[in-house]
Order: sequence, then structure tokens, then C-alpha cells
Amino acid sequence: EVQLVQSGAEVKKPGESLKISCQGSGYSFTNYWIAWVRQMPGNGLECMGIIYPGDSDTRYSPSFQGQVTISADKSISTAYLQWRSLKASDTAMYYCARQNGGSGNHPFDYWGQGTLVTVSS
Amino acid sequence: SYVLTQPPSVSVAPGKTARITCGGNNIGSKSVHWYQQKPGQAPVLVIYYDSDRPSGIPERFSGSNSGNTATLTISRVEAGDEADYYCQVWDSSSDLRVFGGGTKLTVL
Repeated sequence: EVQLVQSGAEVKKPGESLKISCQGSGYSFTNYWIAWVRQMPGNGLECMGIIYPGDSDTRYSPSFQGQVTISADKSISTAYLQWRSLKASDTAMYYCARQNGGSGNHPFDYWGQGTLVTVSS
Repeated sequence: SYVLTQPPSVSVAPGKTARITCGGNNIGSKSVHWYQQKPGQAPVLVIYYDSDRPSGIPERFSGSNSGNTATLTISRVEAGDEADYYCQVWDSSSDLRVFGGGTKLTVL
């Protein structure tokens, strides 16, 4: 059974750093792109970027380039989303999702349960 | 950048048919995927490649895509279908995965 299991909820202060994770199981982790998707409170879904764990090829959406870092450790089948200095506007639910295929034409067929990040002083 | 436009809300009585549209420039030339998100839950893929259904998704869910509009159709709507629905495409020119703004389906 394919599963993406994300790390737990986080409460941070502005300026702090954070790294959240997404561990895949039940499939060959290195062969599927993993995307990070942001959902701000009461808002829709936004794709932040995507990584291919096999070679760590990473693509960022322009809105998120330079704001976050996406990485992966294929030895433990885990993808990461990292911030160096959080802002209140980073408060959101973050999902990881598996892209079912090599090109962007393919859907996100499995999703993690989400990690709620709250940034407040 | 490529923009997908969805109506913010659609209401339908139980047993009737709901149609949720997703507008985009020449969207008929792209593959459209649809996701259902219930409150407090992660999104779930309900239609992919315009009209294919993943296993476990009822046949009541169907999709079409032509011209500048893609449509998710839910037949014989049930109370359990109440959720937010998002369309999504890949803009190959920018290599961006784009979501529509989402449509809240209310079952009256």
C-alpha cells in the first residue's frame, strides 16, 4: 500500500527555522516525483515545487523560489521542505503528494495527511 | 502564467447532477485532473487525464474537457459529496503544476 506520512504539526516564532518531512512507503520512492503543496487558511491549493528523489532534481514555482528549500534523502525515502526564517504568512497546511509519472502531465495520485505550520509571536 | 478559473460555489439537491467547470485558455489541449477535499482532510484524486476514474471512485463521477472548459460531473449527488473540488493541469511552457481556485459543492 502506497503511503506518504508527514511529520507533525509545528508552532514556531517569526524568524525561526523549520524542516518538515514526508516519508514514502509501499513503492519505489526514487522513481516518482514528490511535490509540496501549500494551503493557506481558507484558501486553495498551490504547488510550491517538486523533487525527483532519484537524483534530487528540483523545480520551484516562481512564487516560492528562494523562500523555501526542497530536498530528499532517498536512503530513508523521505522528502523535506525547509525554511531558514519563517514569517507569519507561512502559516498554512502543507501537503506532500506523489506525481504518478515522469512528466508534469501526470496527476498527484497519493497525498500525505498534511503538516500544519503555525508561525506566531 | 496559466490561469484556471472555477466558480467559487455550486449548489445541488440530493439525487440531482452537479457540474463544476474549470476554465483555461485552450484547456482542451491539456490533461485535467480533479481533486476532492473534504473539511480537515487531504485532497483525493477523483478524475485524471480528463475523464479517467481511480479505483474506488464511484462511477457517478465523470469528467470532460474541450475547448476552453473542462467539466467535472457528479451524478445522483449524495450528501457525502459535499466538499471542495479543485482542477489541476500542467503548464508545459513554464513547467508549472497549476490548480484552479476551487469550488465548494453544497448539497442542499
